[in-house]
Amino acid sequence: EVQLVESGGGLVQPGGSLRLSCAASGFTFSIYWMDWVRQAPGKGPEWVANIKGDGSERYYLDSVKGRFTISRDNAQNSLYLQMNNLRAEDTAVYYCARDLSMEQFDYWGQGTLVYVSS
Amino acid sequence: QSALTQPASVSGSPGQSITISCTGTSSDIGAYNHVSWYQQNPGRAPKLMIYDVTNRPSGVSTRFSGSKSGNTASLTISGLQAEDEADYYCSSYTFGLSPAIFGGGTRLTVL
Repeated sequence: EVQLVESGGGLVQPGGSLRLSCAASGFTFSIYWMDWVRQAPGKGPEWVANIKGDGSERYYLDSVKGRFTISRDNAQNSLYLQMNNLRAEDTAVYYCARDLSMEQFDYWGQGTLVYVSS
Repeated sequence: QSALTQPASVSGSPGQSITISCTGTSSDIGAYNHVSWYQQNPGRAPKLMIYDVTNRPSGVSTRFSGSKSGNTASLTISGLQAEDEADYYCSSYTFGLSPAIFGGGTRLTVL
């Protein structure tokens, strides 16, 4: 059974940092593009970043470039999102998601809430 | 890039059929056959219901179907059931600022 379990969210002040983790199981993690998708309260989802199976390609939403870094450890079947210089507008539930193909996500984690506030 | 446009709400009675529209542009829905639909219940993660415009993942009811014409995609749910009540989001692959763009969501109410 495919499982994605996020952790690392919480309350952080503007300008602060958080590192999100996503533990994957039940599939061959290393062959899939993996993504982070966030959803602000009452809004639709928003794609944040993705990374190729071997880690050789990474892409970011413009508004997070230079602040967020996506990475993965295929030996540990884990996906990460390092978030620095957080802003109030980054407040959202962050999901890790498996890319079935062409940014269509067939499995999602349960999400972890990031709340940026002073 | 603007979000895809969906109606805020739709409703129907058990057994009826409803259709949710999702309007984009020639840069997203109109350009690619990579339109997906997600069902989301309160406090839960989105669930993939349709991908590549018309395909259903294993385990998704055949009551759910997708289509596309020009820059507009549609999700049809036939034989409405109470358990279908949820928020539905469309998404499309796009070449631009980000590779995936989502709609604002449609709340389906089963009367």
